[in-house]
Amino acid sequence: GQNIDQPTEMTATEGAIVQINCTYQTSGFNGLFWYQQHAGEAPTFLSYNVLDGLEEKGRFSSFLSRSKGYSYLLLKELQMKDSASYLCAVGGGYQKVTFGTGTKLQVIP
Amino acid sequence: GAGVSQSPRYKVTKRGQDVALRCDPISGHVSLYWYRQALGQGPEFLTYFNYEAQQDKSGLPNDRFSAERPEGSISTLTIQRTEQRDSAMYRCASSPTAGVGDGGYTFGSGTRLTVV
Repeated sequence: GQNIDQPTEMTATEGAIVQINCTYQTSGFNGLFWYQQHAGEAPTFLSYNVLDGLEEKGRFSSFLSRSKGYSYLLLKELQMKDSASYLCAVGGGYQKVTFGTGTKLQVIP
Repeated sequence: GAGVSQSPRYKVTKRGQDVALRCDPISGHVSLYWYRQALGQGPEFLTYFNYEAQQDKSGLPNDRFSAERPEGSISTLTIQRTEQRDSAMYRCASSPTAGVGDGGYTFGSGTRLTVV
């Protein structure tokens, strides 16, 4: 099975940089996903990592180390609209993706 | 359709009643997934389909829960003899590929089920 661990809550200032960490244990690995979920809305896909290293996509970057079972999501130039929950999810079996409990990020002025 | 459509958006039912939740995935999407999400938690896997074939139902909590996708498009999640602990947001997601692809899932808006 999978075990995914990420901080419950974080607070950061508008314009700053924040890093949200995720550690995982899995019996199989088919990639790591990050999703954003605003309150009352559906999760939306942000990024996918299957190889070690950093993937950059605009203000958002995601890093993966498979040997350490570790990933992080980096958000730059924070905006108020970035206040949301960020879900780390691991693809374990062929198609089954297991989600963590999410990190609630609050961006303050 | 343009997105993943779920109906109804809200369902209130009495304990012991059966409910059917519907999901219409993005047109042409091969895979369809059902998740359940409690408030403040991440989505919890229930089951998934490739076309009409149910590939994994290991996440279904018990035999009161079942799902089907008879023609490889619309799917129905049925909960029989509902209990209060079944109250949650039920989310459907679809993917254009038959494997864990690099584009992730597209989630629907969900059905909020309340069992009273």
